[in-house]
Amino acid sequence: AQRVTQPEKLLSVFKGAPVELKCNYSYSGSPELFWYVQYSRQRLQLLLRHISRESIKGFTADLNKGETSFHLKKPFAQEEDSAMYYCALRGNYGGSQGNLIFGKGTKLSVKP
Amino acid sequence: ETGVTQSPTHLIKTRGQQVTLRCSSQSGHNTVSWYQQALGQGPQFIFQYYREEENGRGNFPPRFSGLQFPNYSSELNVNALELDDSALYLCASLKNRGAGGYTFGSGTRLTVV
Repeated sequence: AQRVTQPEKLLSVFKGAPVELKCNYSYSGSPELFWYVQYSRQRLQLLLRHISRESIKGFTADLNKGETSFHLKKPFAQEEDSAMYYCALRGNYGGSQGNLIFGKGTKLSVKP
Repeated sequence: ETGVTQSPTHLIKTRGQQVTLRCSSQSGHNTVSWYQQALGQGPQFIFQYYREEENGRGNFPPRFSGLQFPNYSSELNVNALELDDSALYLCASLKNRGAGGYTFGSGTRLTVV
C-alpha cells in the first residue's frame, strides 16, 4: 500500500528552537517525496523535493530509505514558519504517473 | 507566468444536485490533477488528465468525472451530490506528467446542504 503518515497533528515550538516535522511513508520501489506548505489563507506551495536536495527557507529533508522516513528539519524556527505542512509521495494509481499521496498534515506553531 | 486559477471560490449546493468546478492550468502545463481536501485532512487524489485524456484515478465513485480541454483548462463534475462531498477541491497542474512538483490553485470550497 502507498501511504504517508504524519504522526503529529500539531507541533508548537518557540522562536529560535529547532524544528523537526516527522513523515513516514510506505511505498514499493524508489519513492519521490515532497514537502508542501500552506500558510494561512494561501494556497499549497511546494517547499522542497527530495530529488533536488535543495534547502528552502532554511528547511531541509533527508530521505532515509531504511527507516522509510522523510523528516523536515530547520535548526532555528521563525514566527513566519507557522503554517500547515504536508508530506507527499508521488504515487502510481491505475498506471498513472504523477499523482500525489498526502499525509494529514502537521500544524506548526512558532511562538515568540 | 500565470498560476493556477480556480472558479468559483465558494459554492453552496443542495444534496442530489450536480456541480461543475473549473480550473485554468499554469501556462505550459499539460497535466492537471484534482484533489479533494476534507476538513482536517490532507488532499486526496481524485483523477489526473494528460493531454485531454484521463490517465489515473483515485478511489472516487464514477459520479466524479472530469474533462481537460485543448488549452489544458479542466473541469471537475460531481453528480448526485452527497453531504460528504462538502470539501475544498484543489486543482493542480504539472508541466509533464510524472516530473517535477505540482502547482496548486487556491481551491473551490463546496458546501452541500
